[in-house]
Amino acid sequence: GIQVEQSPPDLILQEGANSTLRCNFSDSVNNLQWFHQNPWGQLINLFYIPSGTKQNGRLSATTVATERYSLLYISSSQTTDSGVYFCAVVNDYKLSFGAGTTVTVRA
Amino acid sequence: GAGVSQSPSNKVTEKGKDVELRCDPISGHTALYWYRQSLGQGLEFLIYFQGNSAPDKSGLPSDRFSAERTGGSVSTLTIQRTQQEDSAVYLCASSLSRGLSNFGPGTRLTVT
Repeated sequence: GIQVEQSPPDLILQEGANSTLRCNFSDSVNNLQWFHQNPWGQLINLFYIPSGTKQNGRLSATTVATERYSLLYISSSQTTDSGVYFCAVVNDYKLSFGAGTTVTVRA
Repeated sequence: GAGVSQSPSNKVTEKGKDVELRCDPISGHTALYWYRQSLGQGLEFLIYFQGNSAPDKSGLPSDRFSAERTGGSVSTLTIQRTQQEDSAVYLCASSLSRGLSNFGPGTRLTVT
Protein backbone atom coordinates (compact mmCIF):
# COMPACT_ATOMS: atom_id res chain seq x y z
CA GLY A 1 0.00 0.00 0.00
CA ILE A 2 0.84 3.64 -0.15
CA GLN A 3 3.25 4.89 2.50
CA VAL A 4 2.53 8.28 4.04
CA GLU A 5 5.19 9.99 6.09
CA GLN A 6 4.67 13.15 8.11
CA SER A 7 7.27 15.41 9.60
CA PRO A 8 8.10 16.56 12.13
CA PRO A 9 6.45 14.12 14.56
CA ASP A 10 6.22 16.80 17.24
CA LEU A 11 6.24 20.57 17.10
CA ILE A 12 6.22 23.06 19.97
CA LEU A 13 5.39 26.63 19.07
CA GLN A 14 5.13 29.90 20.88
CA GLU A 15 1.84 31.64 20.26
CA GLY A 16 2.13 33.86 17.21
CA ALA A 17 4.79 31.76 15.48
CA ASN A 18 4.50 30.31 11.99
CA SER A 19 5.17 26.69 11.07
CA THR A 20 5.20 24.22 8.19
CA LEU A 21 4.15 20.58 8.38
CA ARG A 22 5.13 18.17 5.64
CA CYS A 23 3.50 15.07 4.18
CA ASN A 24 5.33 12.78 1.74
CA PHE A 25 3.62 9.90 -0.03
CA SER A 26 5.04 7.00 -1.97
CA ASP A 27 2.73 6.72 -4.98
CA SER A 28 0.34 8.67 -7.12
CA VAL A 29 -2.97 9.42 -5.43
CA ASN A 30 -6.42 10.60 -6.40
CA ASN A 31 -6.58 13.12 -3.64
CA LEU A 32 -5.25 14.28 -0.33
CA GLN A 33 -6.84 15.56 2.86
CA TRP A 34 -5.48 17.35 5.89
CA PHE A 35 -7.23 16.85 9.23
CA HIS A 36 -6.89 18.38 12.67
CA GLN A 37 -7.69 16.09 15.57
CA ASN A 38 -8.71 18.22 18.51
CA PRO A 39 -8.11 17.29 22.15
CA TRP A 40 -11.54 15.63 22.26
CA GLY A 41 -10.55 13.29 19.44
CA GLN A 42 -12.74 14.77 16.73
CA LEU A 43 -11.20 14.78 13.26
CA ILE A 44 -11.89 18.07 11.55
CA ASN A 45 -11.46 18.47 7.81
CA LEU A 46 -9.01 21.22 7.00
CA PHE A 47 -8.32 20.81 3.31
CA TYR A 48 -9.21 18.55 0.43
CA ILE A 49 -6.36 19.31 -1.94
CA PRO A 50 -5.23 17.08 -4.83
CA SER A 51 -2.94 19.75 -6.19
CA GLY A 52 -2.25 23.44 -6.00
CA THR A 53 -2.72 25.76 -3.05
CA LYS A 54 -5.70 26.55 -0.85
CA GLN A 55 -6.09 28.95 2.02
CA ASN A 56 -8.52 29.06 4.91
CA GLY A 57 -7.87 31.85 7.35
CA ARG A 58 -4.50 31.37 9.02
CA LEU A 59 -4.06 27.95 7.45
CA SER A 60 -2.98 27.15 3.94
CA ALA A 61 -1.95 24.00 2.13
CA THR A 62 0.00 23.19 -0.99
CA THR A 63 0.13 19.83 -2.75
CA VAL A 64 2.66 19.04 -5.47
CA ALA A 65 1.29 15.74 -6.71
CA THR A 66 4.02 15.18 -9.29
CA GLU A 67 6.63 15.32 -6.51
CA ARG A 68 4.43 13.44 -4.03
CA TYR A 69 4.31 15.86 -1.16
CA SER A 70 2.01 18.30 0.55
CA LEU A 71 2.67 21.11 3.00
CA LEU A 72 0.42 22.61 5.64
CA TYR A 73 1.24 26.12 6.81
CA ILE A 74 0.05 27.53 10.11
CA SER A 75 0.54 31.25 10.49
CA SER A 76 0.24 33.34 13.66
CA SER A 77 -0.41 30.18 15.68
CA GLN A 78 -2.91 30.21 18.54
CA THR A 79 -3.33 27.85 21.47
CA THR A 80 -6.47 26.50 19.82
CA ASP A 81 -4.29 25.19 16.99
CA SER A 82 -2.88 22.56 19.36
CA GLY A 83 -3.65 18.96 18.50
CA VAL A 84 -2.60 16.35 16.01
CA TYR A 85 -2.50 17.11 12.31
CA PHE A 86 -2.98 14.19 9.97
CA CYS A 87 -2.36 13.93 6.29
CA ALA A 88 -4.35 11.25 4.45
CA VAL A 89 -4.04 10.27 0.83
CA VAL A 90 -6.80 8.80 -1.26
CA ASN A 91 -5.86 5.92 -3.52
CA ASP A 92 -8.96 4.80 -5.38
CA TYR A 93 -11.36 4.86 -2.42
CA LYS A 94 -9.28 4.30 0.69
CA LEU A 95 -7.74 6.90 2.96
CA SER A 96 -4.24 6.03 4.09
CA PHE A 97 -3.08 8.12 7.03
CA GLY A 98 0.29 9.32 8.13
CA ALA A 99 1.29 9.02 11.77
CA GLY A 100 0.50 12.68 12.39
CA THR A 101 2.30 15.75 13.71
CA THR A 102 1.51 16.69 17.29
CA VAL A 103 1.46 20.46 17.61
CA THR A 104 1.59 22.21 20.95
CA VAL A 105 1.13 25.97 20.97
CA ARG A 106 2.19 27.68 24.18
CA ALA A 107 0.75 30.97 25.35
CA GLY B 1 -27.68 18.65 7.51
CA ALA B 2 -26.25 16.69 10.39
CA GLY B 3 -22.79 15.25 10.19
CA VAL B 4 -21.75 11.66 10.78
CA SER B 5 -22.99 10.39 14.12
CA GLN B 6 -21.83 7.42 16.14
CA SER B 7 -23.18 5.64 19.17
CA PRO B 8 -22.42 4.98 21.88
CA SER B 9 -19.80 7.66 22.47
CA ASN B 10 -18.20 5.52 25.16
CA LYS B 11 -18.45 1.81 25.85
CA VAL B 12 -16.87 -0.14 28.67
CA THR B 13 -17.21 -3.89 28.42
CA GLU B 14 -15.79 -6.96 30.05
CA LYS B 15 -13.37 -9.18 28.21
CA GLY B 16 -15.24 -11.88 26.32
CA LYS B 17 -18.44 -9.91 25.79
CA ASP B 18 -19.77 -8.88 22.39
CA VAL B 19 -20.23 -5.22 21.45
CA GLU B 20 -22.01 -3.38 18.65
CA LEU B 21 -20.99 0.05 17.46
CA ARG B 22 -23.27 2.12 15.27
CA CYS B 23 -22.60 4.69 12.58
CA ASP B 24 -25.13 7.00 10.92
CA PRO B 25 -23.50 8.53 7.85
CA ILE B 26 -24.39 11.80 6.17
CA SER B 27 -27.55 11.33 4.16
CA GLY B 28 -26.82 10.45 0.54
CA HIS B 29 -23.22 9.45 1.13
CA THR B 30 -22.64 6.19 -0.68
CA ALA B 31 -19.25 5.35 0.79
CA LEU B 32 -18.76 4.46 4.45
CA TYR B 33 -15.55 3.56 6.26
CA TRP B 34 -14.57 2.23 9.66
CA TYR B 35 -11.20 3.09 11.17
CA ARG B 36 -9.59 2.31 14.49
CA GLN B 37 -7.27 4.53 16.48
CA SER B 38 -5.39 2.97 19.35
CA LEU B 39 -3.96 5.15 22.10
CA GLY B 40 -1.36 7.53 20.69
CA GLN B 41 -1.47 5.86 17.29
CA GLY B 42 -2.57 6.82 13.82
CA LEU B 43 -5.70 5.63 12.09
CA GLU B 44 -5.97 2.03 10.97
CA PHE B 45 -8.38 1.18 8.13
CA LEU B 46 -10.85 -1.58 8.96
CA ILE B 47 -13.52 -1.83 6.25
CA TYR B 48 -15.05 0.06 3.33
CA PHE B 49 -18.67 -0.02 2.17
CA GLN B 50 -19.99 1.18 -1.16
CA GLY B 51 -23.74 1.10 -0.75
CA ASN B 52 -24.50 -2.07 1.20
CA SER B 53 -21.55 -3.99 -0.21
CA ALA B 54 -18.14 -4.25 1.42
CA PRO B 55 -15.59 -4.58 -1.38
CA ASP B 56 -12.71 -4.17 1.03
CA LYS B 57 -12.67 -5.89 4.41
CA SER B 58 -8.92 -6.24 4.42
CA GLY B 59 -8.38 -4.21 7.56
CA LEU B 60 -10.54 -6.28 9.90
CA PRO B 61 -7.99 -7.64 12.39
CA SER B 62 -9.63 -11.01 13.04
CA ASP B 63 -12.76 -13.04 12.42
CA ARG B 64 -14.15 -11.67 15.68
CA PHE B 65 -14.79 -8.43 13.81
CA SER B 66 -17.68 -8.04 11.37
CA ALA B 67 -19.66 -5.18 9.92
CA GLU B 68 -22.80 -4.66 7.95
CA ARG B 69 -24.60 -1.80 6.32
CA THR B 70 -28.29 -1.70 5.57
CA GLY B 71 -30.38 0.50 3.29
CA GLY B 72 -27.23 2.19 2.08
CA SER B 73 -27.22 4.07 5.34
CA VAL B 74 -26.61 2.88 8.91
CA SER B 75 -23.66 0.61 9.61
CA THR B 76 -22.94 -1.60 12.59
CA LEU B 77 -19.49 -2.85 13.57
CA THR B 78 -19.65 -5.93 15.78
CA ILE B 79 -16.80 -7.25 17.87
CA GLN B 80 -17.33 -10.69 19.35
CA ARG B 81 -15.56 -12.06 22.41
CA THR B 82 -13.79 -8.76 23.02
CA GLN B 83 -10.15 -8.75 24.07
CA GLN B 84 -8.17 -6.03 25.85
CA GLU B 85 -6.25 -5.26 22.67
CA ASP B 86 -9.55 -4.23 21.07
CA SER B 87 -9.60 -1.14 23.29
CA ALA B 88 -9.42 1.86 20.98
CA VAL B 89 -11.45 4.65 19.46
CA TYR B 90 -13.51 3.40 16.54
CA LEU B 91 -14.15 6.08 13.93
CA CYS B 92 -16.63 6.05 11.11
CA ALA B 93 -16.46 8.24 8.01
CA SER B 94 -18.67 8.76 5.01
CA SER B 95 -18.21 10.35 1.62
CA LEU B 96 -19.76 10.78 -1.79
CA SER B 97 -17.90 8.11 -3.73
CA ARG B 98 -14.28 9.30 -3.82
CA GLY B 99 -14.97 12.70 -2.39
CA LEU B 100 -14.22 14.45 0.83
CA SER B 101 -14.44 12.13 3.83
CA ASN B 102 -16.29 13.36 6.89
CA PHE B 103 -15.60 11.68 10.21
CA GLY B 104 -17.89 11.05 13.12
CA PRO B 105 -16.92 11.75 16.74
CA GLY B 106 -15.94 8.12 17.38
CA THR B 107 -16.78 5.47 19.94
CA ARG B 108 -14.23 4.97 22.70
CA LEU B 109 -14.19 1.26 23.55
CA THR B 110 -12.56 0.06 26.74
CA VAL B 111 -12.30 -3.67 27.39
CA THR B 112 -11.61 -4.50 31.03
